[in-house]
Amino acid sequence: DQQVKQNSPSLSVQEGRISILNCDYTNSMFDYFLWYKKYPAEGPTFLISISSIKDKNEDGRFTVFLNKSAKHLSLHIVPSQPGDSAVYFCAASGTGNNRKLIWGLGTSLAVNP
Amino acid sequence: GAGVSQTPSNKVTEKGKYVELRCDPISGHTALYWYRQSLGQGPEFLIYFQGTGAADDSGLPNDRFFAVRPEGSVSTLKIQRTERGDSAVYLCASSPTSNNYGYTFGSGTRLTVV
Repeated sequence: DQQVKQNSPSLSVQEGRISILNCDYTNSMFDYFLWYKKYPAEGPTFLISISSIKDKNEDGRFTVFLNKSAKHLSLHIVPSQPGDSAVYFCAASGTGNNRKLIWGLGTSLAVNP
Repeated sequence: GAGVSQTPSNKVTEKGKYVELRCDPISGHTALYWYRQSLGQGPEFLIYFQGTGAADDSGLPNDRFFAVRPEGSVSTLKIQRTERGDSAVYLCASSPTSNNYGYTFGSGTRLTVV
């Protein structure tokens, strides 16, 4: 049973526009959420994270929003660039000594010039 | 090295054989993780080391899988009696401490069991 869900397998946007990638989770014990980006034949690369005590974290063109009551988070990329084309994974972690990440299935983003 | 190094990058083995996958983490990183990723899936947790000890091995699918990190640096994931269902990309990641979630991943080992 998927505890972290990315319901859109793919997304296509025009260069310069906003990309919004969504993620839902079911486990209310998750206390930390992360987004990773993955290019083919490479390992995932950490992008941005957010603690459950916050509702927004921003880093340059990337902003993550967390809605705890809805168990939903989203990654906004603005403006989108062709180099952002990759698979984006949402991941979540629990508290205490549990350091493993639970991952979604990923969303493939294509930014068209 | 500058990043996490995994060898081999590709491994093809026959069903029933034994394989070892190696991970060389970033120097000084005390936390080391193994994940595996099947086609169309997100990475799936296997095991986490803090130093030399396995702090959490709850993701190992069965007793054919074993991992070691004897000196707190290089780690080896060992799979006995491989099965076709073991085919996946095996990813290793390291981080400076267990409190840092922004792991650095290696490029993975693509294991194919034929």
